[in-house]
Amino acid sequence: QSVLTQPPSASGTPGQTVTISCSGSSSNIGSTTVNWYQQLPGTAPKLLIYSNNQRPSGVPDRFSGSKSGTSASLAISGLQSEDEADYSCSTWDSSLNGWVFGGGTKLTVL
Amino acid sequence: EVQLLESGGGLVQPGGSLRLSCAASGFTFSNYAMNWVRQAPGKGLEWVSSLGGGGSIFYADSVKGRFTISRDNSKNTLFLQMNSLRAEDTAVYYCVKARGLERSSYYFDSWGQGTLVTVSS
Repeated sequence: QSVLTQPPSASGTPGQTVTISCSGSSSNIGSTTVNWYQQLPGTAPKLLIYSNNQRPSGVPDRFSGSKSGTSASLAISGLQSEDEADYSCSTWDSSLNGWVFGGGTKLTVL
Repeated sequence: EVQLLESGGGLVQPGGSLRLSCAASGFTFSNYAMNWVRQAPGKGLEWVSSLGGGGSIFYADSVKGRFTISRDNSKNTLFLQMNSLRAEDTAVYYCVKARGLERSSYYFDSWGQGTLVTVSS
């Protein structure tokens, strides 16, 4: 059971906008910033969004992040087939004194 | 370009030990907190341990007392000594570089390709 809660799956058709949620608590999301990672099939995770809504160099602006209270969201607009991957949220947990991840959301592009 | 290259994974019996290494290049290794994150087959990511540039160490409860993280800044290498291994430690172990202004806002900006550890008799 992951500390951060994500839906196990999400889907959309090319061009659509998909949103993935990440729910936590006051000891994690509620007290610090959230990061998102993308893991393409058979590859290592890659940083997608950091500090709630910042994109590393090279990440398309189709990807955006937001945070409100103890929840965060990742939105992918203009969905493309190459966006098919697992997406995980993560943050620091002050009660556990360590970093926590969501269970991951498998995005399927129909 | 940042490169992180893990090695040392393999098959080990329950109760056994293994030492993972991560050779880093492309950045000033000593300045950054380094981490191990693992992923069991078909499962999500799990943070394992962190070693800050200043020496601060953190472990996930699941490995505390069994795993030891260390680094050799002169050789730009991160280590993870894993003792008393259990079947549930079976996973791909990633070496991960952290970045951020303070620990609570760190993000994992570079990942290695991972090394597979299998604990089985």
